[in-house]
Amino acid sequence: GAGVSQSPSNKVTEKGKDVELRCDPISGHTALYWYRQSLGQGLEFLIYFQGNSAPDKSGLPSDRFSAERTGGSVSTLTIQRTQQEDSAVYLCASSRVGGRGSKVIQYFGAGTRLSVL
Amino acid sequence: DQQVKQNSPSLSVQEGRISILNCDYTNSMFDYFLWYKKYPAEGPTFLISISSIKDKNEDGRFTVFLNKSAKHLSLHIVPSQPGDSAVYFCAASAGINDMRFGAGTRLTVKP
Repeated sequence: GAGVSQSPSNKVTEKGKDVELRCDPISGHTALYWYRQSLGQGLEFLIYFQGNSAPDKSGLPSDRFSAERTGGSVSTLTIQRTQQEDSAVYLCASSRVGGRGSKVIQYFGAGTRLSVL
Repeated sequence: DQQVKQNSPSLSVQEGRISILNCDYTNSMFDYFLWYKKYPAEGPTFLISISSIKDKNEDGRFTVFLNKSAKHLSLHIVPSQPGDSAVYFCAASAGINDMRFGAGTRLTVKP
């Protein structure tokens, strides 16, 4: 497809388990972002990848959260030892270029709804 | 810290009338503002944006107004249509990885 693809669309897990969320960005987009939206909240920035540069991890809420981007394309967000407060919709977005000061439009996937029981 | 606030969680408007969605921000370093629209089970999609050097940007039925002194922006939809029913997110940026989003306003346009 032409858009940002995320999988799974829904994930139910037990507290303490690890989860992996996947994002396939739009082909040719060099910038990739992860956000999460908790109930009643705005989109919270988690992490940003731009090309081969070191990712901006400043939004990751704890060291249980990590992300990687292989080959400059697909990204995986991993949450270790999940907690109930991790329950949220995790959104991935990509854009053509990135970088501080540039004005770009981010294209979002449909998100992964994570429920930690 | 909520640097971008959408104080109305919901708004209901009659078809054909004007919808006005509001957004306030606190960071004076924000220089680019966007509105995204989100349908259920879909990701947010870009709707319209405005740079801080402007106070108005219009695209068809959608107009965004920016009042820098009040740190306030609004999205006007006129005339409103039932297909406009969605959640609208306001976003502000001082740099690409400084994008901050509001909590969203759910717009319902009644036929």
